[in-house]
Amino acid sequence: EADIYQTPRYLVIGTGKKITLECSQTMGHDKMYWYQQDPGMELHLIHYSYGVNSTEKGDLSSESTVSRIRTEHFPLTLESARPSHTSQYLCASWDRNTGELFFGEGSRLTVL
Amino acid sequence: DQQVKQNSPSLSVQEGRISILNCDYTNSMFDYFLWYKKYPAEGPTFLISISSIKDKNEDGRFTVFLNKSAKHLSLHIVPSQPGDSAVYFCAASVRFGNEKLTFGTGTRLTIIP
Repeated sequence: EADIYQTPRYLVIGTGKKITLECSQTMGHDKMYWYQQDPGMELHLIHYSYGVNSTEKGDLSSESTVSRIRTEHFPLTLESARPSHTSQYLCASWDRNTGELFFGEGSRLTVL
Repeated sequence: DQQVKQNSPSLSVQEGRISILNCDYTNSMFDYFLWYKKYPAEGPTFLISISSIKDKNEDGRFTVFLNKSAKHLSLHIVPSQPGDSAVYFCAASVRFGNEKLTFGTGTRLTIIP
């Protein structure tokens, strides 16, 4: 079973608020990712990190930012949320030994 | 341009029968393919994978078939069980060990008791 955790699971906020979605993994994986998924759509990579102090933009442009100060922690921040940010955000980490991507349970964000 | 396509958004199958989920890809550089299963309000979980050097990989009730010339893969579940009801995502990467996966849009499988 994967040890990767996301909080909050659900968040409903008003436009203009700053939010941080937390993601932590206890597997010691170097590589971590944020995906965004809308219903009926594919998962889109928005951010990734290959280790501490490494962050990169993914294939889908996003107004969110990420940081990687510790190996186990990869939070995603939206400085000023808008209704267009309403989506599910999935955090994942990579096991280089098995080639498997482990996902957290997701954070479903609704911006009113 | 969608490089991994799952053209059936949904599929209903009777319990005990075979479920066949299909996936097509356009990027000939893909050589490692995975299937993920996702329940509502949960993250995707890895199900089974296949490398391009094989044309079949089996794990219990799940078998993945790869047809490289047709750029097509399929997931067979037999016998189908109610717990198999979920959304199934096909994913691909250019090589094993490359964690940059390209996902399809998913197929919602419903198993009818």
